[in-house]
Amino acid sequence: NAGVTQTPKFRVLKTGQSMTLLCAQDMNHEYMYWYRQDPGMGLRLIHYSVGEGTTAKGEVPDGYNVSRLKKQNFLLGLESAAPSQTSVYFCASRTGAPNGFQYFGAGTRLSVL
Amino acid sequence: AQSVSQHNHHVILSEAASLELGCNYSYGGTVNLFWYVQYPGQHLQLLLKYFSGDPLVKGIKGFEAEFIKSKFSFNLRKPSVQWSDTAEYFCAVNSAYLNSGGSNYKLTFGKGTLLTVNP
Repeated sequence: NAGVTQTPKFRVLKTGQSMTLLCAQDMNHEYMYWYRQDPGMGLRLIHYSVGEGTTAKGEVPDGYNVSRLKKQNFLLGLESAAPSQTSVYFCASRTGAPNGFQYFGAGTRLSVL
Repeated sequence: AQSVSQHNHHVILSEAASLELGCNYSYGGTVNLFWYVQYPGQHLQLLLKYFSGDPLVKGIKGFEAEFIKSKFSFNLRKPSVQWSDTAEYFCAVNSAYLNSGGSNYKLTFGKGTLLTVNP
């Protein structure tokens, strides 16, 4: 049982390049989330999904797109990377049970030069 | 909109000292409250959570938190810290219900408190 797995762990991009971050969970969770973590800012929600085929915007969605074609996977895309997107990205998932909580992946450290 | 305030940005303690980290939230409805810990270079792990019932919640590694509804607070405590508690601590809240009766369980995080415990 791997929990929440993020790939890649590290990535360096040049401004304007595109990339996709993959989040996979093996807990059959309904809900999945993408956050970014910046020093002194805590975690901020980028996009989230309440089920397969559905996505919604979070607090800081600009410059990102997501897809949830399969229940276990939640992809975060950067179409044209900018230095302001240098950050650590965390994926999380949880069940739909009222007393559940979010499980986090190990993170992806992205640098945009 | 919900917001979460963590009063201390950086706390430095010696081993065996007592710890209290403040957390206040702004939301008038029913909330679920969480404390997560992030050890250096690692992902966030759940320390404890509050949904309902006894406002004093016990978590892992000797941590506890008290929910005081009238103060909109959920402070984290530990009687005696260890060097291994050095980490960043995040308070988080989600509304238990949306107007439609469901919930998307989105978490709003505080900005975190870095705890350094000196041996």
